[in-house]
Formats: sequence, C-alpha cells, structure tokens
Amino acid sequence: GQSLEQPSEVTAVEGAIVQINCTYQTSGFYGLSWYQQHDGGAPTFLSYNALDGLEETGRFSSFLSRSDSYGYLLLQELQMKDSASYFCAVRRGSARQLTFGSGTQLTVLP
Amino acid sequence: DAGVIQSPRHEVTEMGQEVTLRCKPISGHNSLFWYRQTMMRGLELLIYFNNNVPIDDSGMPEDRFSAKMPNASFSTLKIQPSEPRDSAVYFCASSPGQDQPQHFGDGTRLSIL
Repeated sequence: GQSLEQPSEVTAVEGAIVQINCTYQTSGFYGLSWYQQHDGGAPTFLSYNALDGLEETGRFSSFLSRSDSYGYLLLQELQMKDSASYFCAVRRGSARQLTFGSGTQLTVLP
Repeated sequence: DAGVIQSPRHEVTEMGQEVTLRCKPISGHNSLFWYRQTMMRGLELLIYFNNNVPIDDSGMPEDRFSAKMPNASFSTLKIQPSEPRDSAVYFCASSPGQDQPQHFGDGTRLSIL
C-alpha cells in the first residue's frame, strides 16, 4: 500500500518562514506535488518535484529527496492569505494518478 | 479561460434518491478525475479518465457509484441509491496530460439526509 505523513497543524506569524514536511511510502513513485486549499475552496496546484532538489516559485519552494522518501514545502514571507490547508500528493503507478496526504492546516497570525 | 465547471454547487436530498453530479473539464484537457473529500478520509480519488476512457476506478466505493464520460467536454458521477455516508464534497479535476498539474472545480457539496 501507500502512505503519506504530514503534520496536521502548523502556526506561524506574518513575515516568518515555515516548512511543511511530508514523508511517503509508496511503490511506483514518480514525483511529489503540493496543493493549497482555502476553507470551502478548490485545491490549487503549487509545485511538483520529480527529481531530487529544490524548486522555487516566488515565495514558495519545494524540495524532494527520493532516497529519503521525503519532501517539504517552504513558505517565506508569510502573509495572512497563506492561511490554508496544504496537501502533499504522490504521483504513482502506471496511470500516474495522485494520492493525497491528509493535509496540514497552516494558520498565519498577525 | 473558464476553469473546471461543476454542477450543482450544493445538493441536499433524502437517502435512497439518485444523485447526479456533473463536470465540464477545461477545453483541451484529456485527463479527468473525480475526488471525494471528507474530514475522516481526506481527499480520495474515485475514478480517472484519460481520453474519455476510464483508466482506474479502484477508488469507487461500491456499485452504487458510477461515472461516465460520453465526450471530451462532459462527465457525470452518479450515486444510486444515495446513503447518508455519501455526504461529502465531490471535486472534479482535469489536466492536459498524465504528468501535468490538475485543475480542480469548486466542488459539489452533497448532503444526504
């Protein structure tokens, strides 16, 4: 089977940096994605890592270590609007479908 | 460009009734996904279509659930008969290819009484 683990909650203050970790166990691994979901909203794509290393997109960066089955999402210069749930998702199998983690609720305090 | 369009946005119905959820993917996207989201089970993939053909339906919970994609611009997820435990938010997503990001619709909030 497969499993993904990420913290259920993280709290930080505006302007800070926060890292959300994700560890996974799965067969047929192709890559790790991150999605953001605001309360009551649709999940939206943030980043995808297929290879080891860091991918940077503005204030957000994502990292993958395939040998450690580990990745993280790094959010810099936190803003109130970053308060949301963040999901890691592994892309796996011949059909390369996504399996989502249970999500991390990020609360940004003023 | 219009995003993924789902209807209805909200549905409240009594158990035993048939429920049909609809999805229009983004034009040009050839992969379509149906997900269910609940507090207990998180975001689960129900079924995945590629070029209108079901590729993986292993996430469909039971025979009461069925999904179709008669053409590239329309898909339905049907529950018959519905049960209270089917209450959830159902999302449809599409992507331009297997390894491309998925674009989610706003979801259908389903309540079965």
